[in-house]
Amino acid sequence: DIQMTQSPSSLSASVGDRVIITCRASQGISTYLAWFQQKPGKAPRSLIYAASSLQSGVPSKFSGSGSGTDFTLTISNLQPEDFATYYCQQYNSYPPKFGQGTKVEIK
Amino acid sequence: EVQLVQSGAEVKKPGESLKISCKGSGYSFASYVIGWVRQMPGRGLEWMGIIYPSDSDTRYSPSFQGQVTISADKSIGTAYLQWSSLKASDTAMYYCASLSGTTGNFDYWGQGTLVTVSS
Repeated sequence: DIQMTQSPSSLSASVGDRVIITCRASQGISTYLAWFQQKPGKAPRSLIYAASSLQSGVPSKFSGSGSGTDFTLTISNLQPEDFATYYCQQYNSYPPKFGQGTKVEIK
Repeated sequence: EVQLVQSGAEVKKPGESLKISCKGSGYSFASYVIGWVRQMPGRGLEWMGIIYPSDSDTRYSPSFQGQVTISADKSIGTAYLQWSSLKASDTAMYYCASLSGTTGNFDYWGQGTLVTVSS
């Protein structure tokens, strides 16, 4: 199975900051990488697919990059509604696998 | 609009059986893979398995093989997740998700079903 490792596991940031979350796959997954946002008590919401493609309706403050084994999610101009847990997920091969999550908290 | 609507919260005792459901609408249910995801309290997301509703071909993640059964009835657009003998460690939120033909990933999610197993 492919393992996904996210870092950091949590971070504190201020409104207006830019944050970067990284995700590393244990083997190459091309660009079969998605990013999800989850708020407490809610289902995950897909933000980015194919490593860098923005889901319909997702603001352009979210951006993704990378291919192969190393990926990043960047959130610009952090707003109160962005404080949540973010997960990467590979879908190159079965079973799909999530990273352990990165909790973005208010400083 | 694609929608996945899951059955309501359940409270069960250890050893009891349970079957929860996920009903799809707004798209061709039989055409797209449905997956199930577990989230234990305060923990991350784990894929349990997937099913192809067109022929009910099922694949389980190794950790869940033999622990649960995934099924689907394409005639009513519904997928199921069931346990024959629940354990306290099955206490979790369970989500279903549907593959998107546009992105190739699981873009559509149900609202979740909370399963609590306690004596």
